[in-house]
Amino acid sequence: AQSVTQLDSQVPVFEEAPVELRCNYSSSVSVYLFWYVQYPNQGLQLLLKYLSGSTLVKGINGFEAEFNKSQTSFHLRKPSVHISDTAEYFCAVSQNRDDKIIFGKGTRLHILP
Amino acid sequence: EAGVVQSPRYKIIEKKQPVAFWCNPISGHNTLYWYLQNLGQGPELLIRYENEEAVDDSQLPKDRFSAERLKGVDSTLKIQPAELGDSAVYLCASSLGVATGQGGDEQFFGPGTRLTVL
Repeated sequence: AQSVTQLDSQVPVFEEAPVELRCNYSSSVSVYLFWYVQYPNQGLQLLLKYLSGSTLVKGINGFEAEFNKSQTSFHLRKPSVHISDTAEYFCAVSQNRDDKIIFGKGTRLHILP
Repeated sequence: EAGVVQSPRYKIIEKKQPVAFWCNPISGHNTLYWYLQNLGQGPELLIRYENEEAVDDSQLPKDRFSAERLKGVDSTLKIQPAELGDSAVYLCASSLGVATGQGGDEQFFGPGTRLTVL
């Protein structure tokens, strides 16, 4: 069975500093990987996704993630965060040929002034 | 283009009362999802519809939860009777469904309904 582990429940970072949110997955088959963002009192919004091809995926709002098959990771990065990036970030995985998405527990990003 | 619409946004009820949530997906989206999101957790799928057919309801507690999508457009999720542990956010999402069976179909989420059971 597939699963997603987000190692950090909260990550504080100073404004304009870089950030990395960690995500590891387990699956016995090929996977599709996603990062979603949830702003307070809103639904989830897709940041980026990896389906195939280049392992470095660029998304919206300056975020990017790198798929590492050997380490079963899909860490999310941004070189310089802004106060508007304060939100909950969810990593998710779905199996190839299966639309069901399994979400991680989320990482809350705190931007410090 | 309007996004996924959910109502109500907030609902407070006493335990053992019934409650219903409504979702209108993005126009043209064939696939509709209901998720449960507990505090501090990621969303968990309750049920997925392809048009009017429920294709995955394995995580839906059928003793008290029911859902319908009669015309393959909007959908209703009902809880009867509600229990204290049902307090959570109920999210609806939709996707085109054209990639069904191949994975990777982007899901668009509504703002959710926050349910509080007293």
